[in-house]
Amino acid sequence: SQELEQSPQSLIVQEGKNLTINCTSSKTLYGLYWYKQKYGEGLIFLMMLQKGGEEKSHEKITAKLDEKKQQSSLHITASQPSHAGIYLCGRSSGGGADGLTFGKGTHLIIQP
Amino acid sequence: NAGVMQNPRHLVRRRGQEARLRCSPMKGHSHVYWYRQLPEEGLKFMVYLQKENIIDESGMPKERFSAEFPKEGPSILRIQQVVRGDSAAYFCASSSAPGPYQPQHFGDGTRLSIL
Repeated sequence: SQELEQSPQSLIVQEGKNLTINCTSSKTLYGLYWYKQKYGEGLIFLMMLQKGGEEKSHEKITAKLDEKKQQSSLHITASQPSHAGIYLCGRSSGGGADGLTFGKGTHLIIQP
Repeated sequence: NAGVMQNPRHLVRRRGQEARLRCSPMKGHSHVYWYRQLPEEGLKFMVYLQKENIIDESGMPKERFSAEFPKEGPSILRIQQVVRGDSAAYFCASSSAPGPYQPQHFGDGTRLSIL
């Protein structure tokens, strides 16, 4: 089973609507990262969460961390075509080995 | 401010040849990570290096793959005697410090195709 489960796997949303993407870890979270990837390109760092209950916002994107549930959610308000892409959550192992483990991603399509 | 630079962007090799992928970290970053992205498997960690040292290579295949990060110059991921299954996107990331709370910044990747 995956260490990080993302849901939904894909999402089609009408422009202007709000949406939420979830990420659940089967292991203790030492740091939860959100990245965005456009098709055929690299990953763009969005946000990092490290404390339970932490919430961060950047423009119309808000991410929250529920440490007890080992979950994070990414919420986009008033979606725009520029939000389309693949959203990946990643976690650190926290044990000195600093390679990140990623979920399989959520494919977001914005319909005009 | 230059980000993480990877080259080449696309690389085509025939089975049995060698592939060399290069990564220059962001200015001021001395920690480099390599990841591989396969279509159905997602992004997987391969190796973590600091200058002149391999810190964690737990995700690296035991044969044919090697990585280095010399004192001068870019980090290199080397794949010897490539096979079709090596076709993937290879990403490099860098950070300014180690630890679970340091963001890793990614390059645009090298798309490796094996004929």
